[in-house]
Amino acid sequence: NAGVTQTPKFQVLKTGQSMTLQCAQDMNHNSMYWYRQDPGMGLRLIYYSASEGTTDKGEVPNGYNVSRLNKREFSLRLESAAPSQTSVYFCASSGAGVQPQHFGDGTRLSIL
Amino acid sequence: AQSVTQPDIHITVSEGASLELRCNYSYGATPYLFWYVQSPGQGLQLLLKYFSGDTLVQGIKGFEAEFKRSQSSFNLRKPSVHWSDAAEYFCAVGAVSGGYNKLIFGAGTRLAVHP
Repeated sequence: NAGVTQTPKFQVLKTGQSMTLQCAQDMNHNSMYWYRQDPGMGLRLIYYSASEGTTDKGEVPNGYNVSRLNKREFSLRLESAAPSQTSVYFCASSGAGVQPQHFGDGTRLSIL
Repeated sequence: AQSVTQPDIHITVSEGASLELRCNYSYGATPYLFWYVQSPGQGLQLLLKYFSGDTLVQGIKGFEAEFKRSQSSFNLRKPSVHWSDAAEYFCAVGAVSGGYNKLIFGAGTRLAVHP
């Protein structure tokens, strides 16, 4: 009954370092999403994947890249981390049509 | 453009009191509406959803929400708050756009519960 699993849960990086955040879902969902959450701003969509093999930019894609490795896994990469990317990152997945999104527990990322 | 406004950033209520969290949306067509709850250090959990039909929607943990098209609102209510309800609450409007399930979130309302 895992749902959406994100790793790692916490990470501290130095400016300029790179990192990949991992996400996997076991609900056989087609669509997957990466959000960032900042105080007072709700959740903002970084990238999404409507189905395996496709990815598209969301509201705030600059500084990030994604890979939809297979139907289960969707990773988010920071190539050169910046302090402005300090945030909590959430992965989510959903089934076809207008369905609720299911969220992981988040990755808390600090960039010094 | 689609948007969601949660006018109250923080709300404090006493345990046992009633609760209403406000949500207003802007959307050109019939909206799909959601309320999520986030406990500290956790992800978002779906409380309830409105797609169509009865405008009063029941959710988990004793919550309900009422869709009012004329007011573009989808307010969340609970008759009697428990200390464990202290959390942050997010309203969201959804649509299918470009083949994916798009959600626009409000900024959230943080609920504190006094004993």
